[in-house]
Amino acid sequence: DTEVTQTPKHLVMGMTNKKSLKCEQHMGHRAMYWYKQKAKKPPELMFVYSYEKLSINESVPSRFSPECPNSSLLNLHLHALQPEDSALYLCASSQGSPGTGIYGYTFGSGTRLTVV
Amino acid sequence: KQEVTQIPAALSVPEGENLVLNCSFTDSAIYNLQWFRQDPGKGLTSLLLIQSSQREQTSGRLNASLDKSSGRSTLYIAASQPGDSATYLCAVKFVAGANNLFFGTGTRLTVIP
Repeated sequence: DTEVTQTPKHLVMGMTNKKSLKCEQHMGHRAMYWYKQKAKKPPELMFVYSYEKLSINESVPSRFSPECPNSSLLNLHLHALQPEDSALYLCASSQGSPGTGIYGYTFGSGTRLTVV
Repeated sequence: KQEVTQIPAALSVPEGENLVLNCSFTDSAIYNLQWFRQDPGKGLTSLLLIQSSQREQTSGRLNASLDKSSGRSTLYIAASQPGDSATYLCAVKFVAGANNLFFGTGTRLTVIP
């Protein structure tokens, strides 16, 4: 299995809702990432988990809450989002810790989030 | 400051043409460079990964080169097909800041049948 699987593919939520995005990989990768991508822009890093511990939080608002239950799963909990949070949310994984430079990244197909 | 630039922002070519996409980066101290393809509204598909010690990588009709000293990489696509139409992103893992991938803004390629 060489894939990163993200669910759901599409999500529409109100500003008072609580929802979660899920990401799963079975490649034995020990680093997992959340990226946010706005239209016609490159992906921007949100969170990095290394060996199931949060190692980087790029000053993301607290309405986004990551969770890494085990080395294969990564969740992103959403609460009280704003319309400007509408974007494509991408999960990625890589072998080894993030600072180990030689490994490439594998990305999922993303969750298209719309906040209304 | 680490930056990645891709030129051109958009490219339109007739089917069958060979083409080159360019990527430049500001710091030659890199671990690797990765080329991705992104279809509209979809995730990123990895095309080629070049380590800093390598000069090029090939996969099918794709060939990526790396010139670390000049801070440049090119993605060569041979005999382009309409199915190659997508946005191509270059991403660099710098030695300083290795916890993140630095992305270029992409080249949107259209191959006309």
